[in-house]
Amino acid sequence: KNEVEQSPQNLTAQEGEFITINCSYSVGISALHWLQQHPGGGIVSLFMLSSGKKKHGRLIATINIQEKHSSLHITASHPRDSAVYICAVKRIQGAQKLVFGQGTRLTINP
Amino acid sequence: EAGVAQSPRYKIIEKRQSVAFWCNPISGHATLYWYQQILGQGPKLLIQFQNNGVVDDSQLPKDRFSAERLKGVDSTLKIQPAKLEDSAVYLCASSPWGEVRNTIYFGEGSWLTVV
Repeated sequence: KNEVEQSPQNLTAQEGEFITINCSYSVGISALHWLQQHPGGGIVSLFMLSSGKKKHGRLIATINIQEKHSSLHITASHPRDSAVYICAVKRIQGAQKLVFGQGTRLTINP
Repeated sequence: EAGVAQSPRYKIIEKRQSVAFWCNPISGHATLYWYQQILGQGPKLLIQFQNNGVVDDSQLPKDRFSAERLKGVDSTLKIQPAKLEDSAVYLCASSPWGEVRNTIYFGEGSWLTVV
């Protein structure tokens, strides 16, 4: 079993819909990252969380340390949000090593 | 602030040939990572440097992959000889040192196709 699991693996929605991507992990962590990867592009860090909730524009990320679960929400989704969203956790043990989920491929249709 | 620079962006080689990728991290970032991302999967850490020392290379296939960061700044990742299964994106990332909860900055990636 992977230490970081994301769901769903693929998500297709219509423009304007509210999107939720989930991430569950099984190890002790010091931080959790949400990353965005566009086709042909590199990875952009969206959020780094260690507790609570963060908001940036239409993106909201939450984390529940006790339940070892995080969610990424996109409000008023737009076709330009189409990308792969990756959850990655920084283990408490080990020298700043990130463990990645397999990613969620999001497609927003106009 | 300049980001993490990688080159080349795209490379196509035949199996058994060699290839080298270059990475220049963000200025002042002590930690540098090389990741391999196969299509449809999350990135896998190949090697992590702290300045010019190796912190973790447990998943680096050392029979064919090598990496160095001689002056603690830029780094090269070499594959020799390449196999078909090495086709992937090779991502370089960097982060500052000194705090447990540092953020991490990724480059655009170097796309390798082995034919």
